[in-house]
Amino acid sequence: DAKTTQPPSMDCAEGRAANLPCNHSTISGNEYVYWYRQIHSQGPQYIIHGLKNNETNEMASLIITEDRKSSTLILPHATLRDTAVYYCIVRVAAGAGSYQLTFGKGTKLSVIP
Amino acid sequence: DARVTQTPRHKVTEMGQEVTMRCQPILGHNTVFWYRQTMMQGLELLAYFRNRAPLDDSGMPKDRFSAEMPDATLATLKIQPSEPRDSAVYFCASGHRQGIGNEQFFGPGTRLTVL
Repeated sequence: DAKTTQPPSMDCAEGRAANLPCNHSTISGNEYVYWYRQIHSQGPQYIIHGLKNNETNEMASLIITEDRKSSTLILPHATLRDTAVYYCIVRVAAGAGSYQLTFGKGTKLSVIP
Repeated sequence: DARVTQTPRHKVTEMGQEVTMRCQPILGHNTVFWYRQTMMQGLELLAYFRNRAPLDDSGMPKDRFSAEMPDATLATLKIQPSEPRDSAVYFCASGHRQGIGNEQFFGPGTRLTVL
């Protein structure tokens, strides 16, 4: 799987958009970008994934650059409950290696009242 | 709301004792994962199963750890004998192979302390 780089921590004011960057400059053409988050003392939670098009669901939006070397997870209106560690993971979608999630250190997002 | 369940939620034991952690995957999911999380190492994949068969357990110390799926509704992770360095939170996750998403749904974890 391609290595990802994320800032170790970020702050965001409550109600504002939280933009979490991820660098994956060695990503391959068949690798997807996944985002998970882990709220304190809970198991990780899937947020969103994408290949090359921007994606949006009820939790967040994922913006992937045209060259696919970086992406940004956007929480449009951050709440205190969004305080968590956010993990950006790159992996193939099928075949050998498609099962595993390799978690890095992630970005600790603190939403401030 | 379907969830992965894990028991026990907390376990304190003494070095040398056997520890068994249990996981009930979401009904219909055919892939089960075991992860371990520590402050030093973060989240590490220990093993995973598909259709109850072990696919990869290369992340697991073989001499003391074992993982099984006696049936589709139960996965177990056993440590014998336990050591203080095994103290961690152990997460089980389940998923199914249909579709590109391959989301994994995590349980609440078992916090293990080995004295």
